[in-house]
Amino acid sequence: DQQVKQNSPSLSVQEGRISILNCDYTNSMFDYFLWYKKYPAEGPTFLISISSIKDKNEDGRFTVFLNKSAKHLSLHIVPSQPGDSAVYFCAASRGMDSNYQLIWGAGTKLIIKP
Amino acid sequence: KAGVTQTPRYLIKTRGQQVTLSCSPISGHRSVSWYQQTPGQGLQFLFEYFSETQRNKGNFPGRFSGRQFSNSRSEMNVSTLELGDSALYLCASSDPSGRDTQYFGPGTRLTVL
Repeated sequence: DQQVKQNSPSLSVQEGRISILNCDYTNSMFDYFLWYKKYPAEGPTFLISISSIKDKNEDGRFTVFLNKSAKHLSLHIVPSQPGDSAVYFCAASRGMDSNYQLIWGAGTKLIIKP
Repeated sequence: KAGVTQTPRYLIKTRGQQVTLSCSPISGHRSVSWYQQTPGQGLQFLFEYFSETQRNKGNFPGRFSGRQFSNSRSEMNVSTLELGDSALYLCASSDPSGRDTQYFGPGTRLTVL
């Protein structure tokens, strides 16, 4: 049972345009959502996060939107740059201590075309 | 601060063998988590260690085990290797104030022949 889904395995966007990466989740108990970026031969690095009490968080070119009623979040990158080409993972967390869960999506490969 | 380091970076083993992977977290981080990454499957959580105790465990068979030492370094062991264990194994550490924000090492690429 995939609790966090990234339905697009890959996405190709022209440099300078907006990239929109999507993520859906099934568990309404998740209270924190994160996006990580991964380059080949490196581990994922934290990009941006959002608490379930918010619907938007912005950090420079990156904005994450959360729609709790639809159980959907998205990452917007504006404008897209060649260095943004990477695999993006969405993750969601809930609970504390031994009940803590951090569930990851399968990732979306973003390709920025020059 | 130095980042998370993992050794070895690459490993080739044959079925039935066992393997031990090592992870050194960022200085001051007491939590270490292990993940398995396979194509199309995202990151599958293996287990988390905190202060030398396993705090959380994913849905992996008992062939996968781990431990953490007093200096927070962690090891992961896989016994009786199977072909399906071929994957990138990632280690991540986090500090006490932010369990969600994990700092990953570069991973160990394990190939089982």
